[in-house]
This record gives sequence, structure tokens and C-alpha cells, in this order.
Amino acid sequence: KQEVTQIPAALSVPEGENLVLNCSFTDSAIYNLQWFRQDPGKGLTSLLLIQSSQREQTSGRLNASLDKSSGRSTLYIAASQPGDSATYLCAVRNSGGSNYKLTFGKGTLLTVNP
Amino acid sequence: KAGVTQTPRYLIKTRGQQVTLSCSPISGHRSVSWYQQTPGQGLQFLFEYFSETQRNKGNFPGRFSGRQFSNSRSEMNVSTLELGDSALYLCASSFLPDFYGYTFGSGTRLTVV
Repeated sequence: KQEVTQIPAALSVPEGENLVLNCSFTDSAIYNLQWFRQDPGKGLTSLLLIQSSQREQTSGRLNASLDKSSGRSTLYIAASQPGDSATYLCAVRNSGGSNYKLTFGKGTLLTVNP
Repeated sequence: KAGVTQTPRYLIKTRGQQVTLSCSPISGHRSVSWYQQTPGQGLQFLFEYFSETQRNKGNFPGRFSGRQFSNSRSEMNVSTLELGDSALYLCASSFLPDFYGYTFGSGTRLTVV
């Protein structure tokens, strides 16, 4: 059974700092991994999707890496801003069979202080 | 381009009642999934539909059911509501899950009293 863990559970940083959020998963047989952000009481906004054959994806100040063999992904946020404050979730989709579900971690609550 | 639309945004129901939630996917998306989000359990998968067929089902009791219509719109139904069903219910759609990932709606906040 796939399990996804995100560390740390919460992170508070001053504005401008570069930071790394971690995601680990127990079953390396994944199809892809997706990072989301969630603002309080809102839905999920997709940030980056990494296919199992890829090592990283970049979008603006965000860079996500994937090491499938070790079961790890990181989300790097450069020059953080108060608007980045949100909960960040990673989700994996397992490969094999008719598997169309995402398994989520519990998220990292990020606070960027002005 | 319209996103994933979920209605209603908020619902308050009494224990024992039933509820139906609706999800309209992005135009052209035929895969629709449902998730339950609670503070204790996080996000948990309910079910996934593609072209009116349920392809995957999560580990939820039979009180939770869903369906998808020919226009790809989906509904989920919860019967005999319990206090523990209070949650944010999120719908996600995808054009091709293998390649494009999922886009989520804003959710329906269900409160059972």
C-alpha cells in the first residue's frame, strides 16, 4: 500500500528565503507525482507534474525533483514571498493496472513572513 | 476556459439525511475523480469515472456512491449521513491522467449536524 510522507509538517520562513519541501513515498512503482498548493478553505491548485521518467520540472520560482528509486521528491521555492503562504501537498499515482487514484501526503503548511 | 465547477459550495445536513454533490469537469475532460478531505485523515480517494464507467473505488462504505453522465458531469451521493462525513469534498478532472495530471475544483464543504 502506497504511503506518502511530507516533512516538515509546518515551516515558517522570512520573506526572500529559498526553501525546500520534502515528499517521500514507500512504493517506487509510480506513474507520476504532482505537487499542489492549497489555500485555507479552498481547492487544490496544481503546481508541477513530474512523470516517472523525468528528474525535474520547473515553473517560475518553483523547481520539483524526483528520485523514483529512493522514493523522494523535493519542491524548491526560490525567493519566497508572503503570497507563497499555503499548504503544499504532494500526490503520487501508482503504476500498474487500472490505477487512477492519487495518494496524498498530509502536506506542509508554509508561512512566509514579511 | 472554465475550470472544474462544484456545486453547491456549502451544505449543512442533519444526521440520517442524504446528500448529492455535483461536479462539472473542464470541457473535454472525461476522467472525473472524487476525494474527501478531513483534518484527521487528509485527502482520501473516493472513486474515479471515465466515460460513465467507474474504474477505481476507494475504501469507503457503500453509503458513498457516484455516477457520471454522458456529458462527463459527475455526481456523488452520500446516504444516511453521519457526523464523521463532515468534510471538504473535492472533485478533479483530467483529459488524459497518464500525461496531464489532475485539475481540482474548489470543493463542497459538507457539515453534518
